[in-house]
Amino acid sequence: DTEVTQTPKHLVMGMTNKKSLKCEQHMGHRAMYWYKQKAKKPPELMFVYSYEKLSINESVPSRFSPECPNSSLLNLHLHALQPEDSALYLCASSRPPGGPYNEQFFGPGTRLTVL
Amino acid sequence: SQQGEEDPQALSIQEGENATMNCSYKTSINNLQWYRQNSGRGLVHLILIRSNEREKHSGRLRVTLDTSKKSSSLLITASRAADTASYFCATDVEGGSEKLVFGKGTKLTVNP
Repeated sequence: DTEVTQTPKHLVMGMTNKKSLKCEQHMGHRAMYWYKQKAKKPPELMFVYSYEKLSINESVPSRFSPECPNSSLLNLHLHALQPEDSALYLCASSRPPGGPYNEQFFGPGTRLTVL
Repeated sequence: SQQGEEDPQALSIQEGENATMNCSYKTSINNLQWYRQNSGRGLVHLILIRSNEREKHSGRLRVTLDTSKKSSSLLITASRAADTASYFCATDVEGGSEKLVFGKGTKLTVNP
């Protein structure tokens, strides 16, 4: 299985809602990533988990809360978001970090709209 | 922060023509990668070139890397309408960080 899956595909939420994005991979990868991508822009790294531990937080606001329950799953909990947080949220995974071949495998993304 | 800068920002060609995209970066790297993204979808890894390599081929793709100029190019030969997508270069940080920094991307349109 060489696929990264993300659910839901689309999410519309109000500013007072709490929701979660989910990501799953079964490639045995030990690094997992959350990216945010605005229209016509490149992906921007938000978080990296390495061996289920948070290794990089790119100064993301606390209304985004990542969680890595096990080596196959990655969640992004959302609370009190702002309309400017509307974007495509991409999950990715890669082989054990620190090696020279850190090709990343991406999921299809969750299109988030905050009203 | 963005490390890579692609040019052109947009490229429109006819089917069968070759497409060349360029990427420049700022810091020393272990490797440079190219990804493709169809509209509103996830990114797909195309090719990785290591810092000690100068050229790499994969099917209709040819990538070059010039570390002295901190630049790379992606050539797609005999383009097809299905190649229409955005193309991003991505660089890691020398030292083995798992972090990738993506360039701004080139939007390629291949007209039938």
